[in-house]
Amino acid sequence: DTGVSQNPRHKITKRGQNVTFRCDPISEHNRLYWYRQTLGQGPEFLTYFQNEAQLEKSRLLSDRFSAERPKGSFSTLEIQRTEQGDSAMYLCASSLGRGQYTGELFFGEGSRLTVL
Amino acid sequence: AQSVTQLGSHVSVSEGALVLLRCNYSSSVPPYLFWYVQYPNQGLQLLLKYTSAATLVKGINGFEAEFKKSETSFHLTKPSAHMSDAAEYFCSGGTSYGKLTFGQGTILTVHP
Repeated sequence: DTGVSQNPRHKITKRGQNVTFRCDPISEHNRLYWYRQTLGQGPEFLTYFQNEAQLEKSRLLSDRFSAERPKGSFSTLEIQRTEQGDSAMYLCASSLGRGQYTGELFFGEGSRLTVL
Repeated sequence: AQSVTQLGSHVSVSEGALVLLRCNYSSSVPPYLFWYVQYPNQGLQLLLKYTSAATLVKGINGFEAEFKKSETSFHLTKPSAHMSDAAEYFCSGGTSYGKLTFGQGTILTVHP
């Protein structure tokens, strides 16, 4: 069990550029979640996948944000035309799915985005 | 909608003193309640979880929390603080499919 892996860990970009983050969940987990954490706040739910299906998206996920999980393994979170307000830590988590869910999410170390 | 409130954004204690971090949730009891800890530049680590099996929940590193439905509270305690406990702590409520609602966080400082 290598844990949830996220990369890059840090990304600095200029306003208007596109960025993509990748998350590799724990291999046997079929649920994957994305959260966003801004300075001084708790994480906020963005979206989650059951296998390759995206089952819920938060209203925080504007049309500039897109998340995918092809083949139900790793996931990517892309932000287009970044804005300074997108600066945050993007956290990925995974868990066991339907029928096996124990209530525990396993979080990665996060990808910190700074938009200049 | 589920909401979680942590009372006190900063708590400071002396090493060896009792740690008490407060958390209240909205009146609708979620299936799960959690406490997570976050060290600087790291992800969230689960301290403990409540799943209705027992109202007093024991977690890692000597922490425990008590679910009190009448008070809609899930406060986190530790009898004796260590320097290594200094971190940010988050209370959260969770649905049956893993969507978590977090409180604002409490930064714990431990003085020697």
